[in-house]
Amino acid sequence: GAVVSQHPSWVICKSGTSVKIECRSLDFQATTMFWYRQFPKQSLMLMATSNEGSKATYEQGVEKDKFLINHASLTLSTLTVTSAHPEDSSFYICSASSGALEAFFGQGTRLTVV
Amino acid sequence: KQEVTQIPAALSVPEGENLVLNCSFTDSAIYNLQWFRQDPGKGLTSLLLIQSSQREQTSGRLNASLDKSSGRSTLYIAASQPGDSATYLCAVIGINTGNQFYFGTGTSLTVIP
Repeated sequence: GAVVSQHPSWVICKSGTSVKIECRSLDFQATTMFWYRQFPKQSLMLMATSNEGSKATYEQGVEKDKFLINHASLTLSTLTVTSAHPEDSSFYICSASSGALEAFFGQGTRLTVV
Repeated sequence: KQEVTQIPAALSVPEGENLVLNCSFTDSAIYNLQWFRQDPGKGLTSLLLIQSSQREQTSGRLNASLDKSSGRSTLYIAASQPGDSATYLCAVIGINTGNQFYFGTGTSLTVIP
């Protein structure tokens, strides 16, 4: 299958700072990327969908000004958690799709806000 | 909106047993159903993908079936091993929702040596 690389795999930051997570499709062009969040012992919840070159579509309850998503190229999408708080601590996973009915997932990023 | 449910939420079995994990979804208008494995603190590993026109897929000791009309899928694991211990997630891609996955709640499996 195709490879999606997510970086960093884990990050610890201070409350009030911003953190950027990168999601790259290494061997295909990703027209659509998805960002998910997973709290401990819960399933993955979709946060937003981004299409290359356009604004992301956020799910209900997800603050677009807090979780900034940029999908400027066909191989890179970034999620920036702005003014992070301890309640933002979670596992964030991206997935990328070339338009075919299959998506490939990154390795995930464990964010801890202290 | 698509809702995906997995039963049981947790399962503990002795090594060597065969087991079945269940997944149900409310909207049968799907393109694919996919089973994933997730180890603690890790990302997702794809196990099996079943297209809507297929009834089942097999890989090694794993067999996944799909009954789209009833909104159900099962993942059968034969001769379970301690290394199978993980959380298993099923997810569907809907016909009317692009390439967005809707994930189930997961089944946490523990195989006891």
